[in-house]
Parts: sequence; structure tokens; C-alpha cells
Amino acid sequence: RKEVEQDPGPFNVPEGATVAFNCTYSNSASQSFFWYRQDCRKEPKLLMSVYSSGNEDGRFTAQLNRASQYISLLIRDSKLSDSATYLCVVNIPGNQFYFGTGTSLTVIP
Amino acid sequence: EAQVTQNPRYLITVTGKKLTVTCSQNMNHEYMSWYRQDPGLGLRQIYYSMNVEVTDKGDVPEGYKVSRKEKRNFPLILESPSPNQTSLYFCASRIQGAGGYTFGSGTRLTVV
Repeated sequence: RKEVEQDPGPFNVPEGATVAFNCTYSNSASQSFFWYRQDCRKEPKLLMSVYSSGNEDGRFTAQLNRASQYISLLIRDSKLSDSATYLCVVNIPGNQFYFGTGTSLTVIP
Repeated sequence: EAQVTQNPRYLITVTGKKLTVTCSQNMNHEYMSWYRQDPGLGLRQIYYSMNVEVTDKGDVPEGYKVSRKEKRNFPLILESPSPNQTSLYFCASRIQGAGGYTFGSGTRLTVV
């Protein structure tokens, strides 16, 4: 079983739409959680950490549900520049970071 | 500028010819890691290091070596590259604690 699983998409949404991605993880001892963004052929870049209480950064909201072992990312008012692949990341004890395979988002004019 | 620098960006080599991909960070981070990224498989950890002279295997360490003699450098060594090591490689570093990794720009390696 994979440590982290994501719906690969693709998600094609119009500008201005709200889109949500979910990610499930298998290790209940997972300690920290992140969302990364990766543009084609570029390095992943940290978008935001995910805290138990949920956290928001502008149009982006991340949430963690430890009981159900999933994290989510909500993007409101989608922009063309949001088109990218979004990776969820889980840190398990032992300092190993596991990346999901990514969810592809295309925002259409 | 705070960054992770890896070289080369692109490399084509032949089977069996030893190569080294360099990685350096200027943020005084304790943790460093190497990942490979392949279509459909995502990012998989090769090796990681928690500090100088402390390294450990990730999920796919076979065929790779690393060393951490200085805090800023974490080279990846392929002693005898094979075609199945053709991939996009990323070096990354992070501070000790709960933070995420900062990635280098990647090295696209082709082994023929």
C-alpha cells in the first residue's frame, strides 16, 4: 500500500472556479503534512504546511483530518497561473518524507 | 539568495561510467535528501542525511551512494550507472524541525 495517495486528475476548471484536492495517507503516526506545487519540468515548491486546525493563505486553504487520515487543499477563485501539479507530502517518524504522485490542475480561460 | 544548487542540470552518459551529481545549500540546513522522479511513480527518496556524517537509505537506494562530509554539500554518486537510472533527480534540504524541503532545480540524467 502506498504511503500517500492522490487522485491524479486531470482537473480542468474555468477561471474563477473553486477546486478541491484530497490526499490520503496510510501511516497514522505521520507527523507533518505539506502541499507542494510543481510546474512542468521544474522543481517542487512548498505551497503551504498543513496544520491540525486548518490554515489559510490567501485563496488557498489546507485542512488535515487525522481521524480519517486525509489532507485537503482548496483553491478559490482559480487563476490561470494556478495551473500546475499539486503534490501532497507526509513526514513519517524516522524523518522520511513521502510524496504523492500529484494532481494535475489546468485552469481554462 | 537562499538556495539549493545542483549540477549538472542535464547529463547524458553511458552505462557503467561513474558519475557524481553535486548538491550544495547555503541555508545551514541540517537535513538533506536526494529524490528521483519518474512518470507515474512520483518522487521517491533515494538517500537522506540528518547532519554531517549521518546518512540513511530512503526507498530506492540501490545503485547509489552519498556522502555528507560538510554540512552544505551532499553529492550523489552512481558508481556504475544503468539505463534504469535514467530519471529526473532532485536534491533538497530543510532545517531540523517541522519544516518542509527546499528543492534544487533538478538534474535530468539519461543513461544509454
